[in-house]
Amino acid sequence: EVQLVESGGGLVQPGGSLRLSCAASGFTFSIYSMNWVRQAPGKGQQWVSVISGRGGATYYADSVKARFTISRDNAKNSLYLQMNSLRAEDTAVYYCARDLRPYNWDDPFDYWGQGTLVTVSS
Amino acid sequence: SYVLTQPPSVSVAPGQTARITCGGNNIGSINVHWYQQKPGQAPVLVIYYVSDRPSGIPERFSGSNSENTATLTISRVEAGDEADYYCQVWDSNSDHWVFGGGTKLTVL
Repeated sequence: EVQLVESGGGLVQPGGSLRLSCAASGFTFSIYSMNWVRQAPGKGQQWVSVISGRGGATYYADSVKARFTISRDNAKNSLYLQMNSLRAEDTAVYYCARDLRPYNWDDPFDYWGQGTLVTVSS
Repeated sequence: SYVLTQPPSVSVAPGQTARITCGGNNIGSINVHWYQQKPGQAPVLVIYYVSDRPSGIPERFSGSNSENTATLTISRVEAGDEADYYCQVWDSNSDHWVFGGGTKLTVL
């Protein structure tokens, strides 16, 4: 059974940093591109970042580029999101999500975690 | 950047057909995916590549795409279909995923 479990959310002050993790199980993690998607309270879905299976390619939403870094450790079946220079508008539930098919880049997301809440506030 | 436009809300009576649109420039030429999200839950993929259904998604859910509008159609709507629905595309010009703003489906 495919499982994605996020962790690392919490309350952080503006300008602070936080590292999110996503533990994957039930599939061959290294052959799937993985994504981070966020949802601000009462708002819609916003894609944040994607990383290829081997980690060699990454893309970011304009709103987080240069502040957030996506990475993965295939030996640990884990996905990460390092978030720096956090702003109030980064407050959201952050989901990790798997691409539908292996070895693809622009596939939709067939499995999502339950999400972890990040609150940026003083 | 590419913009997807969805109506904020759609209402339908049980047993009727709900159509949720997703507007985008020349969207008929690209793949569109649809997600359902119920309160407090993660989104669920209900239609991918315009009209394919993941296993476990009822045949009542279908998708179509033409020119500047993609449509998610839910036939014989049930109370359990009440949720927020999002369309999604991959913008190859910017290498970004784009989501529509979401449509709240209310079953009367």
